[in-house]
Amino acid sequence: ETGVTQSPTHLIKTRGQQVTLRCSSQSGHNTVSWYQQALGQGPQFIFQYYREEENGRGNFPPRFSGLQFPNYSSELNVNALELDDSALYLCASSLMEVYGYTFGSGTRLTVV
Amino acid sequence: DAKTTQPPSMDCAEGRAANLPCNHSTISGNEYVYWYRQIHSQGPQYIIHGLKNNETNEMASLIITEDRKSSTLILPHATLRDTAVYYCIVRVDYTGNQFYFGTGTSLTVIP
Repeated sequence: ETGVTQSPTHLIKTRGQQVTLRCSSQSGHNTVSWYQQALGQGPQFIFQYYREEENGRGNFPPRFSGLQFPNYSSELNVNALELDDSALYLCASSLMEVYGYTFGSGTRLTVV
Repeated sequence: DAKTTQPPSMDCAEGRAANLPCNHSTISGNEYVYWYRQIHSQGPQYIIHGLKNNETNEMASLIITEDRKSSTLILPHATLRDTAVYYCIVRVDYTGNQFYFGTGTSLTVIP
């Protein structure tokens, strides 16, 4: 098992820009979820993909979008960045039929 | 919205058992209780989960009350590396539902 890897680890963007964060799921996992964690808060669910289709979404605007690829890697895209988008973005993968998610270490996004 | 209530912080002496409580009074019959922890600057780590019965693994024990309205995570011999934020989560399993993390309990293990 290689675990969940995310890239980049840190990123600084300017308000209004667009950003793409990447996640490589744990081998064999077909489900990926993305979470946003603001400083001092618990992770907040953004959305989940299962076999390349979105099958769940939290309370985030459409400028947060995602993709899951055939090899189960995924991307989180955020358009028109706002200062409040500054957070740790976590990717988690699982095998749909099995409990438990494996989380990556996250990407720390700072919007200035 | 998180459906659990946890104390914001706790201390525990190294080598002693750490008992972390969680209230989930509105839990449904098909919702599991999950525990995750997050060590500073890392992603959350799965610890244990259960439905009705008490559970034990190499990391911890989970004690669920008979009415399922509360539970306790037990770290039998806390070490300094157990210092982390611990999240108690209730979730219907196998549906792809999200985890509602809440703000958790910040456990500090003291030497």
